Amino acid sequence: EAGVTQFPSHSVIEKGQTVTLRCDPISGHDNLYWYRRVMGKEIKFLLHFVKESKQDESGMPNNRFLAERTGGTYSTLKVQPAELEDSGVYFCASSQLWLKGEGQETQYFGPGTRLLVL
Amino acid sequence: DAKTTQPNSMESNEEEPVHLPCNHSTISGTDYIHWYRQLPSQGPEYVIHGLTSNVNNRMASLAIAEDRKSSTLILHRATLRDAAVYYCILRVDKIIFGKGTRLHILP
Repeated sequence: EAGVTQFPSHSVIEKGQTVTLRCDPISGHDNLYWYRRVMGKEIKFLLHFVKESKQDESGMPNNRFLAERTGGTYSTLKVQPAELEDSGVYFCASSQLWLKGEGQETQYFGPGTRLLVL
Repeated sequence: DAKTTQPNSMESNEEEPVHLPCNHSTISGTDYIHWYRQLPSQGPEYVIHGLTSNVNNRMASLAIAEDRKSSTLILHRATLRDAAVYYCILRVDKIIFGKGTRLHILP
C-alpha cells in the first residue's frame, strides 16, 4: 500500500514568490492534516480536512496560506507571497475517519517538503 | 488540552532496553496515550497507543500507570535505527507534538 506522498521534496524560492505544495494521502483516508516545523521550533498543526471540508484551520498562520482539497483526494497548500519566516518543513498526514472523540486514529505522515525562502 | 512532560534527551546502549517516560498528570478519562517518533529527515511515524492496559506491538511496549498520570514507552532491544525524537501525545485529531525526547543510541 502506498504511503502519504508529498511533492516537491525540496523547494527554494525567493521572497515574494508563490509556492504550491502537494500532498497525496493514503487511498481511502478521509482525514488530511498539514503541519510544519520552522527552524528550531516544534512541529505545529496547520489545518485539518475531512474529505473536502476544512474541519479546523486554527493553525494557519495568516492569509498568505491557502489550503485546498479538491474532491476530497489530494490537497495543496499555497503560500503567496512567501516570506522568509515561512522556511521550514511542511508535513502532510492522513488517517481513516473515526467517530469524533474516539481518540484512536493513527496518522500516517509523508516525508515532508523542505521549503527555503531566500 | 492536557499536557505531557518528557525528558529532553536520553541515551542508551545498542541492544539494551530503553524506557522512555512521559508524565501526563492532567489526562482525562477518555484520552488515549499515543507515541510517535521522528527519525532523522523523515516524517513522524506512529509507534503505539493505549488507554488503560499495557500494550505490545512489534515496535514497542507501552506501560501505563494505574492512575494513568504517567506512561513509559519500552523499546526492548534498541538498535541504531531507533535513534529518533519520541513524542508522547494525548490528542490525535490535531497532534500537539511538544519537544519530545531525543533518544541517542550508543554503538
